[in-house]
Amino acid sequence: EDQVTQSPEALRLQEGESSSLNCSYTVSGLRGLFWYRQDPGKGPEFLFTLYSAGEEKEKERLKATLTKKESFLHITAPKPEDSATYLCAVLSSGTYKYIFGTGTRLKVLA
Amino acid sequence: DTGVSQDPRHKITKRGQNVTFRCDPISEHNRLYWYRQTLGQGPEFLTYFQNEAQLEKSRLLSDRFSAERPKGSFSTLEIQRTEQGDSAMYLCASSLVERSANEKLFFGSGTQLSVL
Repeated sequence: EDQVTQSPEALRLQEGESSSLNCSYTVSGLRGLFWYRQDPGKGPEFLFTLYSAGEEKEKERLKATLTKKESFLHITAPKPEDSATYLCAVLSSGTYKYIFGTGTRLKVLA
Repeated sequence: DTGVSQDPRHKITKRGQNVTFRCDPISEHNRLYWYRQTLGQGPEFLTYFQNEAQLEKSRLLSDRFSAERPKGSFSTLEIQRTEQGDSAMYLCASSLVERSANEKLFFGSGTQLSVL
């Protein structure tokens, strides 16, 4: 069965302290791996889609990478406004059911 | 693009009552999803529509849950005989897939259900 595991569950960083979030996945034929940001009381907001191992995407202070077993979301010199829950999701072949991980709650302190 | 709209934002009900939620997707989007999210968890898939056809439904969804998308526009999610375990945020998402390389979901802000 398709599965997504995210680590760590929670992460506290000082402003400017770079780090990485991990998303390990098991799927039967990956169609896409997705990163979303979710603020409290709101729905997830799309960040990136990755389709094949070796692919990288960047947006401002965020960079997502993909291997055959995991994805990383690298956060460079984070700011307090980057504080949110970051969700990883996978979509496998033959289904339209996106499987989400439990997320990483990021807190960036000024 | 006015975004995905969900109504109501909050719903408090007593156990055993029926509730119905509405989702208005982004107008040209042909795919619509319902997810459920509890505190500290990721969204859990409930069901998926392509236009008006319900193509996939979670095995976890009991017979008390039903969803419709008449005319392929807005969608409703009904929960009959609510239980305390139904308390959660119900999220709707839509997407427009013209090519396989464009499958990102746009989520609404959700309906927070509390069953007393």
